[in-house]
Amino acid sequence: SQKIEQNSEALNIQEGKTATLTCNYTNYSPAYLQWYRQDPGRGPVFLLLIRENEKEKRKERLKVTFDTTLKQSLFHITASQPADSATYLCALDGSGGSNYKLTFGKGTLLTVNP
Amino acid sequence: GAVVSQHPSRVICKSGTSVKIECRSLDFQATTMFWYRQFPKQSLMLMATSNEGSKATYEQGVEKDKFLINHASLTLSTLTVTSAHPEDSSFYICSATHGEQFFGPGTRLTVL
Repeated sequence: SQKIEQNSEALNIQEGKTATLTCNYTNYSPAYLQWYRQDPGRGPVFLLLIRENEKEKRKERLKVTFDTTLKQSLFHITASQPADSATYLCALDGSGGSNYKLTFGKGTLLTVNP
Repeated sequence: GAVVSQHPSRVICKSGTSVKIECRSLDFQATTMFWYRQFPKQSLMLMATSNEGSKATYEQGVEKDKFLINHASLTLSTLTVTSAHPEDSSFYICSATHGEQFFGPGTRLTVL
């Protein structure tokens, strides 16, 4: 069956360091992968989308890589700040198409300590 | 950016009652909206796809007679949890597509 795993439930890092979060999937052939941020008691907020034919994408301090051979995406936050503390979710389209049906991982709770 | 709202943000009800949750796209029209449910420390689970003017498409294991979805206009979808029970207590989140998928702030349902 299809499965998405985000490598750790929680990650604690020091302010200024780079946070690296991992998303692995099995039994999928996603056309694209997305990363979201979710704060407690709030809905997810879209951060980045990367397509299957893209290796890397950047947006300000964020960088996402997508390795369809390893079936893995890495999400990096450089020069992390306490305000980056949140749960980060990866999501895949469920059918390999662009019909927006997303399947989410459980998320990784990132805490950036001042 | 596109904004999606949900109402109410929190609701507490007695077991056996029905609860309606509204999802609105405030500054765009959305032919498709999605309803998700999220239990504590769990991932968002897609419940159903709501299409304007037609019946919703439910995911496997989601009871369509219990979770009634109405998408009467291009800016409004409603989810009604009928005969709610404590196990229905959860965080319900809707989303609407407009190029990308925009999520509402969620509704915390607590069934006593």
